[in-house]
Amino acid sequence: NAGVTQTPKFRILKIGQSMTLQCTQDMNHNYMYWYRQDPGMGLKLIYYSVGAGITDKGEVPNGYNVSRSTTEDFPLRLELAAPSQTSVYFCASKHSNYGYTFGSGTRLTVV
Amino acid sequence: TQLLEQSPQFLSIQEGENLTVYCNSSSVFSSLQWYRQEPGEGPVLLVTVVTGGEVKKLKRLTFQFGDARKDSSLHITAAQPGDTGLYLCAGERTSGSRLTFGEGTQLTVNP
Repeated sequence: NAGVTQTPKFRILKIGQSMTLQCTQDMNHNYMYWYRQDPGMGLKLIYYSVGAGITDKGEVPNGYNVSRSTTEDFPLRLELAAPSQTSVYFCASKHSNYGYTFGSGTRLTVV
Repeated sequence: TQLLEQSPQFLSIQEGENLTVYCNSSSVFSSLQWYRQEPGEGPVLLVTVVTGGEVKKLKRLTFQFGDARKDSSLHITAAQPGDTGLYLCAGERTSGSRLTFGEGTQLTVNP
């Protein structure tokens, strides 16, 4: 099993550009999450999903959108990139009663 | 307001020393998890504690959940350079709900 796979690993965006961060998991987990981590900080929840077709906002959803058309995929969309969105983005998934499995992250820089 | 407060924020010790990291809150959690994160990687789950007063051991690491389920500690015995990393505590307010992270403790173990 590959676990949670995130692409790309690195990206530089110009202000105002858009992009999609991809996340896929092969563990048949219902729950999936997007977090951002700023330097020296913990993780802040952006959006989450409890199953295909269901998404909800986390602590810091502004400037982002998500979709969950399949159990495996949970892409995160940035429509108008801003410098404040420079961060490392982690996707995670979990089975109902177990700990989270994280991807290795996407490091995004907005200039 | 940070729901989970971790202390200390930074810790630099010599190989062979013992250390304790604390995770405190005024809120009750149904479970608390500890993760370890290395540079350039996502957090990796170390342990989940669910019962007040529970103690779990993972080799040289001892995890304890407070009796009131509001706090937790991680104790490392005879630290080694391989223990270096960012240690994150994270809690679920109710079973299956979203995970809230502390801001982490950056541990450096010098040889």
